[in-house]
Amino acid sequence: RKEVEQDPGPFNVPEGATVAFNCTYSNSASQSFFWYRQDCRKEPKLLMSVYSSGNEDGRFTAQLNRASQYISLLIRDSKLSDSATYLCVVFPGGGADGLTFGKGTHLIIQP
Amino acid sequence: DTEVTQTPKHLVMGMTNKKSLKCEQHMGHRAMYWYKQKAKKPPELMFVYSYEKLSINESVPSRFSPECPNSSLLNLHLHALQPEDSALYLCASSQDSRRGLAGKNSYNEQFFGPGTRLTVL
Repeated sequence: RKEVEQDPGPFNVPEGATVAFNCTYSNSASQSFFWYRQDCRKEPKLLMSVYSSGNEDGRFTAQLNRASQYISLLIRDSKLSDSATYLCVVFPGGGADGLTFGKGTHLIIQP
Repeated sequence: DTEVTQTPKHLVMGMTNKKSLKCEQHMGHRAMYWYKQKAKKPPELMFVYSYEKLSINESVPSRFSPECPNSSLLNLHLHALQPEDSALYLCASSQDSRRGLAGKNSYNEQFFGPGTRLTVL
């Protein structure tokens, strides 16, 4: 079973629409959760952390469901500049650790 | 300042060459990481340094040799690489590599450098 699973897409979405991504993780003891954004041939950039209480940053809302081991990202009023690959990322936290990345969901916003 | 810098941006080397990748951060972070990313794949963890000590080596071949001269610098020494080692090599840093306080993800948020795009001929 893969540690972090995401739908690779691509998601083709018209500008202004709302789009939702989901991912699941296999390690129930995982400590921290993040969404990163990666543009073509660039480094991943932290988009937002994800908490069980849900958190919002402008047009972006992230949610964590620990019972279902499920993480979501909602983008409202999508812009052309939102086109990118969105990586669901988990910090296992079993000791000194690195991040575990999902394969990413490719989003294309169309004018 | 949330900047992590990496040099060089691009590197082309032969299989018999020895080269080094460099990474620097001035955020006071105590954990630094090397990741390898192939095209259309997610980053894969190679090494973790925590308080300047190597804490994780994810079964990386010995032709990759990390070094942490001080808390701000991280090097990756390359020797006798293979063409399949061609990839984007990313450096990252975070406040710490261990578990943070519950509900305080910022402890483990990692910030990435722009990467070195390596081609092995």
